[in-house]
Amino acid sequence: ELKVEQNPLFLSMQEGKNYTIYCNYSTTSDRLYWYRQDPGKSLESLFVLLSNGAVKQEGRLMASLDTKARLSTLHITAAVHDLSATYFCAVDRLEYGNKLVFGAGTILRVKS
Amino acid sequence: GAGVSQTPSNKVTEKGKYVELRCDPISGHTALYWYRQSLGQGPEFLIYFQGTGAADDSGLPNDRFFAVRPEGSVSTLKIQRTERGDSAVYLCASSLTGGSPDTQYFGPGTRLTVL
Repeated sequence: ELKVEQNPLFLSMQEGKNYTIYCNYSTTSDRLYWYRQDPGKSLESLFVLLSNGAVKQEGRLMASLDTKARLSTLHITAAVHDLSATYFCAVDRLEYGNKLVFGAGTILRVKS
Repeated sequence: GAGVSQTPSNKVTEKGKYVELRCDPISGHTALYWYRQSLGQGPEFLIYFQGTGAADDSGLPNDRFFAVRPEGSVSTLKIQRTERGDSAVYLCASSLTGGSPDTQYFGPGTRLTVL
């Protein structure tokens, strides 16, 4: 069974600081996704990581994938208040069809 | 439209009633997905359509839940004899082909409250 764990589940940080969110998954997956969700809103796609060693960056967010460790990280650089949201990682595996299996999410609060 | 749309945005119903939730995917997207998100949790898969057919309905919790996509575009999720435990946000997503890789784009969701 494909399971996804994120940590931490809640993160409160000061503006300007750096931090990392971790996403572990239980079995081999084909693709790993990061989504952002603002309160009362739907999910916004941030990154899709396809292969071992993949790294993608957008603004202050950088995502990486280590398929051997079954681990993805979302690194936040010099956080700003606008990054406050819930961040989800999700994986899929073609033999399980196209469904995404999500982690529980990390609630990020950036304090001014 | 530009994105995935869902109606209604909110639905309040009484226990035992029947509800229908609608999803209008991005134009041209052949793959459509339904997920359910309970408070404080990540979305959980319900069903996946490729075209008009349900390619994977393994996430539907029981036979009270049913979904259709008769013309390969709009989909309706139907819940019979609603229970309080069905209260959640129901999210719809679509993707271009369902192939690899293929990002799923999510709609705003329908918040269902069963009293």
